[in-house]
Amino acid sequence: GQNIDQPTEMTATEGAIVQINCTYQTSGFNGLFWYQQHAGEAPTFLSYNVLDGLEEKGRFSSFLSRSKGYSYLLLKELQMKDSASYLCAVREEGQNFVFGPGTRLSVLP
Amino acid sequence: DADVTQTPRNRITKTGKRIMLECSQTKGHDRMYWYRQDPGLGLRLIYYSFDVKDINKGEISDGYSVSRQAQAKFSLSLESAIPNQTALYFCATSDSGHNQPQHFGDGTRLSIL
Repeated sequence: GQNIDQPTEMTATEGAIVQINCTYQTSGFNGLFWYQQHAGEAPTFLSYNVLDGLEEKGRFSSFLSRSKGYSYLLLKELQMKDSASYLCAVREEGQNFVFGPGTRLSVLP
Repeated sequence: DADVTQTPRNRITKTGKRIMLECSQTKGHDRMYWYRQDPGLGLRLIYYSFDVKDINKGEISDGYSVSRQAQAKFSLSLESAIPNQTALYFCATSDSGHNQPQHFGDGTRLSIL
């Protein structure tokens, strides 16, 4: 079967660092994607990992361990505008995307 | 993403009515998808299409149908709407490469009374 888990909610302080975890069990693996979604808006693409290791993109980094079925999104120097939901999605062998439930991040002043 | 346009943006209707949600894209992508989003459940795939003549069921296709009229258009129909189909619906497109992400429309908020 397919299953993707993420924490439901997280809270962090402006300027801090936060790590959002994602674990997955899916039918095949063709890459892991992170999306940001502000309330009532469309998800927007943040990062992609297909090989083990860390991908850095400005304030955001994403890590993947395929053997452990594990990824995390690291957000540095948090800003108020980073308050949003963060969605982990796996691209399966059939080329479809399976999404996790999302993690709602609140950044406090 | 203005390149993926959904209409209508909001719709309120009654149980038993037939509803069509439209999606059009100018990105030139072959692949198109319909999802629904419910609080706490994330995005769930309803139907997807990799080409004009290709239609595939997703995780929750019961009660829905789709039509891929052209590369740029993918419509979702609810033949006889029921209240538990109240949700936020998203259309998405993607290119065929493994590293290609999905691009989402702004969503249609559908309420069925």
